[in-house]
Amino acid sequence: KAGVTQTPRYLIKTRGQQVTLSCSPISGHRSVSWYQQTPGQGLQFLFEYFSETQRNKGNFPGRFSGRQFSNSRSEMNVSTLELGDSALYLCASSLAGEAIYEQYFGPGTRLTVT
Amino acid sequence: AQTVTQSQPEMSVQEAETVTLSCTYDTSESNYYLFWYKQPPSRQMILVIRQEAYKQQNATENRFSVNFQKAAKSFSLKISDSQLGDTAMYFCAFMKPNTGNQFYFGTGTSLTVIP
Repeated sequence: KAGVTQTPRYLIKTRGQQVTLSCSPISGHRSVSWYQQTPGQGLQFLFEYFSETQRNKGNFPGRFSGRQFSNSRSEMNVSTLELGDSALYLCASSLAGEAIYEQYFGPGTRLTVT
Repeated sequence: AQTVTQSQPEMSVQEAETVTLSCTYDTSESNYYLFWYKQPPSRQMILVIRQEAYKQQNATENRFSVNFQKAAKSFSLKISDSQLGDTAMYFCAFMKPNTGNQFYFGTGTSLTVIP
């Protein structure tokens, strides 16, 4: 079974631009979560989607948004990029809506904002 | 809000030796889950071990075991017979049920296994 895939793997953007990252969960998984990973802050929860509905959102500004499609693929969008948005963005999928079903992480998208 | 603290940014251990990684958390909840995740260099994060707070018995997975002290809000990871492949960042994480898979992660401990 294919794992969680994220595209693109690397991205360089300029301040003020916007960016869209994509996550394809493991087949059959309906829950997709997004995290921002930085050396100083560790992993911080962005949001989680389950069956196309956002169920929970972390403490990030409205510039960060996401969506989930009927095939469970998810995208996150960051508008008006700032230097501080440079990070590794990870998505994780799980079979159902509870963490007692193991979360599987993707390799991440490394975003660099210049 | 829940907080997870890993007070050891970096650790090292000799191959075949035992090492313990510390994690403390703060919560007012009585029912929750705790996890240790491993992130090898340039590789995907994987689950090492998980613990349900209502279970008193400490979880074990082969060479990995935890010391869960609920009253002290402590959740340490013990790695026995350390192997070179154990070199990785280790993250402690907390999750409340029915919160849409919202995990709270610590800042991680970078473990290096020395041959």
